[in-house]
This record gives sequence, C-alpha cells and structure tokens, in this order.
Amino acid sequence: EVQLVESGGGLVQPGGSLRLSCAASGFTFTTYWMNWVRQAPGKGLEWVANIKQDGSVKNYGASVKGRFTISRDNAQNSLSLQMNSLRADDTAVYYCARNRGYETFDVWGQGTMVTVSS
Amino acid sequence: QSALTQPASVSGSPGQSITISCTGTSGDIGAYNYVSWYQQYPGKAPKLMIYDVSDRPSGVSNRFSGSKSGNTASLTISGLQAEDEADYYCFSYGGAFGTGTEVTVL
Repeated sequence: EVQLVESGGGLVQPGGSLRLSCAASGFTFTTYWMNWVRQAPGKGLEWVANIKQDGSVKNYGASVKGRFTISRDNAQNSLSLQMNSLRADDTAVYYCARNRGYETFDVWGQGTMVTVSS
Repeated sequence: QSALTQPASVSGSPGQSITISCTGTSGDIGAYNYVSWYQQYPGKAPKLMIYDVSDRPSGVSNRFSGSKSGNTASLTISGLQAEDEADYYCFSYGGAFGTGTEVTVL
C-alpha cells in the first residue's frame, strides 16, 4: 500500500524550531518529487516546499523562504522539514505529499499538527 | 504566488450539476495545462480528483470533470450526491492553491 506518515508536530514557542518527518512506503521513493503542504485552522491549503528526486533542487513558498529547509534521505525513504524562527502564523496541519507529473499531488499523508504559541 | 480565486460556496440539489471556477492569470492557469483539483472532508487529508486540467485518477467517479478556458479552470460535479459535500481546492503552475469552495448538497 502506498503510504505517507508524518510525525514530529507539537507545541513550540514563537522563535523556536521544530523538525517534521515523513516516512514513505509502498512506492519507489527515489523517483518522485516530494512536497510539504500546510493548512492553518479553518483556512485553505498552502504549498510550503518541494524537493527533487535526488535532493538537488529545492523550492519554497514566499512565507517560509529563509526559515524552513526541506530535505530527504533516499536510503531511509524519508522526507523532512526543518522549521526555524517559527511564528504564530505557522500554526497549521502540515501534510507530506507526493508529486505526480506537474503541479499534482497524488498521495497525501494524514498530517501532523504544529502549534506555535507561548 | 497569489492564491487563485474560487467562490466561497456552491450548492445544489441531489442529481443536479454544479460548477466550481478557479480564476488565475496568464502566468499560472493560463500558462500551462497543469491544473489539479482536490476534495477535502473536515479533518481529513485532501484527495486528488482531477489533474492536468481534465484527467481523472483511477478510482475517481466520472461524475467529476475538469476544463479550462483562458485563465479560468472549472470543476464540474454531475449527478450531485450527498457524499460530494466537502471543500474543493484547485492548484496550478506557480505554486498556488485556490481559496477553496465549500460544496453543500441541499
């Protein structure tokens, strides 16, 4: 079964850091671009970042550029998101999502909640 | 990376057809035939319904169809059913999701 499972969410103070992980299984991880997408409580979806199959290309949304870093470990079939300088407006459910072709997310994880609050 | 514009809500009676629009610019929707649509139930992860403007993934009902004209993409749900009541989001080249549309089955 194709599956993505996120972990690492929790409560963090403003200015703090958190690292999210996504474990992939059931497909050949090394052949797909991977993404992080988030959704603030009661709000819409926001694309956060993506990374090429070999990790050589990374792209970020304007609201997280310079604060978040996406990475992957193809040997472990895992995707990560290092989040620094967290702000209250980073509070959201963070989803790991697989790219299919162009601008298409065909497999999603169940999400992990990140709350930034003092 | 501005959000694409969708109507906040669309409603219809069972059996009817509804259409959700997704308006962008010549730099995103109008640039390529790369528009996808997602269905999301409360508290659940999104699900891919349409990709590349009008293609359906395996397992998605053929009651769902997509199209594009200029800078506007559309998702049509035919034969509306109670289970179609959910939020729907578009996504296009440029990295922006639509603002989201709540579909209500009357």
